[in-house]
Amino acid sequence: DTAVSQTPKYLVTQMGNDKSIKCEQNLGHDTMYWYKQDSKKFLKIMFSYNNKELIINETVPNRFSPKSPDKAHLNLHINSLELGDSAVYFCASSQDTTSYGYTFGSGTRLTVV
Amino acid sequence: LAKTTQPISMDSYEGQEVNITCSHNNIATNDYITWYQQFPSQGPRFIIQGYKTKVTNEVASLFIPADRKSSTLSLPRVSLSDTAVYYCLVARGGFKTIFGAGTRLFVKA
Repeated sequence: DTAVSQTPKYLVTQMGNDKSIKCEQNLGHDTMYWYKQDSKKFLKIMFSYNNKELIINETVPNRFSPKSPDKAHLNLHINSLELGDSAVYFCASSQDTTSYGYTFGSGTRLTVV
Repeated sequence: LAKTTQPISMDSYEGQEVNITCSHNNIATNDYITWYQQFPSQGPRFIIQGYKTKVTNEVASLFIPADRKSSTLSLPRVSLSDTAVYYCLVARGGFKTIFGAGTRLFVKA
């Protein structure tokens, strides 16, 4: 069983489109995250949810809207995609907000053309 | 949050011990030190965390001096499959974890 699963693994789309990435964890963790890894391999936190409640929003454009229907799922919807949104997006989870050991998904490579 | 500085890359040979040092001069009292490993096309994987002195698990050891301004990840007897990027992080409360640029380790045969 995959602990943190993301879909799709690859996403190629045109500028201006709207797309969603889904994430699910079966670890029973309370906290989930979205990270963005750019071409220089820097990992930047975007959002964090704890028990379905947003606790971190790191100055991400409001075109990005996370949604957590329950604590096992954290989806990312992106409106009006731009070339600069091209990156690998990672979903992660941790036991709670005090945990340092994150479990990451395998990533979604988004390419905006 | 304390900024971390690591070497950009390191080379090693199979069977050698590899030590990757990370500096975090502005570490605060409540900060913990955590290391992750990332293979190409995969998400980072948690390796080890510590607060002070030495921590050891089945994968690595983490050495933290008394002033905690640096830490060293030690990988015993590396193999080709240990080629990856290793991230040092300093976090005050897990949910504020921020990743730096990491160290690219190349293990040669």
